[in-house]
Amino acid sequence: NAGVTQTPKFRVLKTGQSMTLLCAQDMNHEYMYWYRQDPGMGLRLIHYSVGEGTTAKGEVPDGYNVSRLKKQNFLLGLESAAPSQTSVYFCASSYSGTRSFPGSDTQYFGPGTRLTVL
Amino acid sequence: KNQVEQSPQSLIILEGKNCTLQCNYTVSPFSNLRWYKQDTGRGPVSLTIMTFSENTKSNGRYTATLDADTKQSSLHITASQLSDSASYICVVTPPGGGSQGNLIFGKGTKLSVKP
Repeated sequence: NAGVTQTPKFRVLKTGQSMTLLCAQDMNHEYMYWYRQDPGMGLRLIHYSVGEGTTAKGEVPDGYNVSRLKKQNFLLGLESAAPSQTSVYFCASSYSGTRSFPGSDTQYFGPGTRLTVL
Repeated sequence: KNQVEQSPQSLIILEGKNCTLQCNYTVSPFSNLRWYKQDTGRGPVSLTIMTFSENTKSNGRYTATLDADTKQSSLHITASQLSDSASYICVVTPPGGGSQGNLIFGKGTKLSVKP
């Protein structure tokens, strides 16, 4: 199993350009998340999804859009990139089901995408 | 506002030495408390998980403790190795579980183990 994968690993954009980050998981997880990590800030939730076709806003959703057309994929879009969106972006997924047990909501993270907006 | 604060921000120790990282939280009770390890350039990986009623949990040379009275958790690393160099993040899940995107992340402690 590859776990959670992210594409691309690195990207440099100019202000105003758009791009899409792709996250894929092969663990059949229902829940998926997009975070950004900035120095001294810790991980902050951008958007999340509780299932195929559903998305919800997190703590810092402005400037981003997401889509979950397939259960295994979660896309993060930047329509008009700004320098403030320079960050490392992490995707994560977690199990969901009818059973709840310790660790059942553990989030598994991808390797990250380092984005620089000039 | 629910918070998770970690100390120290960074720590340098010599290989083979022990160290303890601290996590103070305000949300109480909680569903569970996790410690994640994040290697440079990688995503976080779960190390330990404790429910509100547990006092300690071990994973090899890593031991997490929980004091619900003082709202503190510690991560103790024994006989440190160069591969322990990483950031360690404390994460608290509020009651009801974390699947709705409501995890509370600390900012992490950056540990450097020197030979």
